[in-house]
Amino acid sequence: QKEVEQDPGPLSVPEGAIVSLNCTYSNSAFQYFMWYRQYSRKGPELLMYTYSSGNKEDGRFTAQVDKSSKYISLFIRDSQPSDSATYLCAMSVEGAQKLVFGQGTRLTINP
Amino acid sequence: DAGITQSPRHKVTETGTPVTLRCHQTENHRYMYWYRQDPGHGLRLIHYSYGVKDTDKGEVSDGYSVSRSKTEDFLLTLESATSSQTSVYFCASHGTTNEKLFFGSGTQLSVL
Repeated sequence: QKEVEQDPGPLSVPEGAIVSLNCTYSNSAFQYFMWYRQYSRKGPELLMYTYSSGNKEDGRFTAQVDKSSKYISLFIRDSQPSDSATYLCAMSVEGAQKLVFGQGTRLTINP
Repeated sequence: DAGITQSPRHKVTETGTPVTLRCHQTENHRYMYWYRQDPGHGLRLIHYSYGVKDTDKGEVSDGYSVSRSKTEDFLLTLESATSSQTSVYFCASHGTTNEKLFFGSGTQLSVL
């Protein structure tokens, strides 16, 4: 079993829909949780960064962490075609040098 | 964003030849990483460095070596390229532990 599980999709939704992307993990020591967005033929770029549990909101994006369930989510409101990309979750323990990545979910927003 | 450049951006080579990929960062970051990305596998860590001349293996290090002689440069070498090493390679860096990771634009390597 992988340390971080993420459904690779692909996921296709109409423009304006609310998108929910999720990851589960097995290591209860994870404290730092990130979402990266990767456009085709580009490197991943950090979208959201959360420490420990709770929610974080940035514009149309909300990241949630539920440590009791070992489950993290990324919500995209009013989705746009420009949100079409692969979204990777990543996490690490305190003081870690390395991130553990999920496989990535490929998302397409249809106009 | 952090200045991380990878070279070359694209390379086609033949099985059995040595290949070196270069990563250069201008942020004075201590930590640097090499990943490969393949369909169905996501990002997998090949090697990483936590300082000049300090490197360690990742989860898929067989067939790869690295060197870091200066803070800003991290080289990935395929000693004898194989077709299974056809992939997109990403370099990344950050300054301190648990800090966000910055990625380069990637190198598409094809081994024929």
